[in-house]
Amino acid sequence: DAGITQSPRYKITETGRQVTLMCHQTWSHSYMFWYRQDLGHGLRLIYYSAAADITDKGEVPDGYVVSRSKTENFPLTLESATRSQTSVYFCASSVSAAHTDTQYFGPGTRLTVL
Amino acid sequence: SQQGEEDPQALSIQEGENATMNCSYKTSINNLQWYRQNSGRGLVHLILIRSNEREKHSGRLRVTLDTSKKSSSLLITASRAADTASYFCATVADRGSTLGRLYFGRGTQLTVWP
Repeated sequence: DAGITQSPRYKITETGRQVTLMCHQTWSHSYMFWYRQDLGHGLRLIYYSAAADITDKGEVPDGYVVSRSKTENFPLTLESATRSQTSVYFCASSVSAAHTDTQYFGPGTRLTVL
Repeated sequence: SQQGEEDPQALSIQEGENATMNCSYKTSINNLQWYRQNSGRGLVHLILIRSNEREKHSGRLRVTLDTSKKSSSLLITASRAADTASYFCATVADRGSTLGRLYFGRGTQLTVWP
């Protein structure tokens, strides 16, 4: 039972490079989310997706692109990485959009932009 | 901002003692959830309390909610070293949100010494 996985777990890149973070879940959950976690800010929502081919912006979407061609995958792309995007990125999923739904988190990707 | 705010930022106690963490928020909520994050890991859902509930228990966890004061508390009784982690409250708005989006606070770092 793999649950929700993220890859890579650690990534170092340079300013201006494109980087894609992968997220895969095995539960067939409809909803998937991308958060970033920074000291002093807690977790902030970047993008979310209600289903395949349906995505929407969260609180901090600038500089990021997402896609969801398959229910189980939700990649996050940094089109041109900046130092301010150095962070820990978490992917999460939930069964539906019901207010009482629990979100299940992946282990995170620690990204460093030099 | 709908973000919750935890207090204290850090808490250090001995095994066997109780740990109390508080969360304050600004807007009306549908529910409030508590998550735990072990070092280097993703978040794990602990407990959810609805806006019409005042108290909820789950094992050694007790959560209270005071909607008039817009605050919640998480009590961990008889703490163990394994409870060492960061604890986050997350709120779900009761209006203006078409999705059960979570708004996280910055967390309380709990350290339980053997």
